[in-house]
Amino acid sequence: KAGVTQTPRYLIKTRGQQVTLSCSPISGHRSVSWYQQTPGQGLQFLFEYFSETQRNKGNFPGRFSGRQFSNSRSEMNVSTLELGDSALYLCASSPLQGGSRSPLHFGNGTRLTVT
Amino acid sequence: TQLLEQSPQFLSIQEGENLTVYCNSSSVFSSLQWYRQEPGEGPVLLVTVVTGGEVKKLKRLTFQFGDARKDSSLHITAAQPGDTGLYLCAGVGSSNYQLIWGAGTKLIIKP
Repeated sequence: KAGVTQTPRYLIKTRGQQVTLSCSPISGHRSVSWYQQTPGQGLQFLFEYFSETQRNKGNFPGRFSGRQFSNSRSEMNVSTLELGDSALYLCASSPLQGGSRSPLHFGNGTRLTVT
Repeated sequence: TQLLEQSPQFLSIQEGENLTVYCNSSSVFSSLQWYRQEPGEGPVLLVTVVTGGEVKKLKRLTFQFGDARKDSSLHITAAQPGDTGLYLCAGVGSSNYQLIWGAGTKLIIKP
């Protein structure tokens, strides 16, 4: 069974630009969650999508948005990039909503660097 | 707001030594998960503890959930270089089933 696939693995962008990250969950998993990971802040929850609907949202500004397609693949978009957005962005899938009733399966992340 | 405090934040020890990592909270969790993240990869679930006082073993790793379900520990016996990584705990909120994450413990085992 293929794992969670995130593309691209690395991105370098300039302040003010926007970026789209992609996540393909494990086949059959309907929940996709996004996390931002930085050395100083740890793992911060961005949002969760389940059956194409955003079910939960973390405390991030509106520049961070996402969507989920009918095949459960998900994209995350960050507009008007700031230096502080430099981080590892992780996607996790699970069969059930919430990440608590079934384990999360993480991808290897997209390393975003904003210059 | 439920918080999980993880300690220590960083630990560097020699191969063969024992160590313990702690996750503490003032809140009750319905369950708690432990993940390990190796450099360049995403976190991988190691274990989920559900019952207060529960102890689970995974080879040289022993996980314990506190009796009151407010804290958990991970004990590694005779640490190996392959144990190197970032260890994360995540508690499941008792009211909304959302995951509450600890800040992580970066563990380095020197050969």
